[in-house]
Amino acid sequence: NAGVTQTPKFRVLKTGQSMTLLCAQDMNHEYMYWYRQDPGMGLRLIHYSVGEGTTAKGEVPDGYNVSRLKKQNFLLGLESAAPSQTSVYFCASTPTGRNIQYFGAGTRLSVL
Amino acid sequence: QKEVEQDPGPLSVPEGAIVSLNCTYSNSAFQYFMWYRQYSRKGPELLMYTYSSGNKEDGRFTAQVDKSSKYISLFIRDSQPSDSATYLCAMTTNAGGTSYGKLTFGQGTILTVHP
Repeated sequence: NAGVTQTPKFRVLKTGQSMTLLCAQDMNHEYMYWYRQDPGMGLRLIHYSVGEGTTAKGEVPDGYNVSRLKKQNFLLGLESAAPSQTSVYFCASTPTGRNIQYFGAGTRLSVL
Repeated sequence: QKEVEQDPGPLSVPEGAIVSLNCTYSNSAFQYFMWYRQYSRKGPELLMYTYSSGNKEDGRFTAQVDKSSKYISLFIRDSQPSDSATYLCAMTTNAGGTSYGKLTFGQGTILTVHP
């Protein structure tokens, strides 16, 4: 099992550009999450999904959109990137009725 | 005030030392407490999982929860250079249910164990 896979691993964007981060999990988990991690801030929840076709806002959703068209995939989009979105992004998943999250290896994003 | 507070360190100790990592929290509804370990440029991975108050031991690691003080700790005995990582505390109110598995994380403590 690959677990949680994030694509790409690194990306550099210019201000105003758009991009999509892909998260794929092969554990048949219902719940999926997107976080950003900044120095001294821990992990902050951006958006999450409790099942295929559903999404909800987390703690810091502004400037991001998400989609969960297939159960195994959770996409995070930046429509118009800003330097404040420079961060490391992590995806995680959890099975229904559980609270242990399994994380991907992260995507390092720099917005210039 | 953050719901979960964790001293970000950094913490530097010699090999063999006992390490104590701590978090305080304000939400008395938290019942499930976890410690995640994150190596440099990797994703967090679950290290310890406890429910309610008490101690849990796993090898060189001991997790303690004191719900009356809203305080949790992770102790590492005989620390090794391979323990060098960021340690994140996390907690939640229930297992799934209306929390949908969401966790509240501390800021993380950077630990370095030098030979």
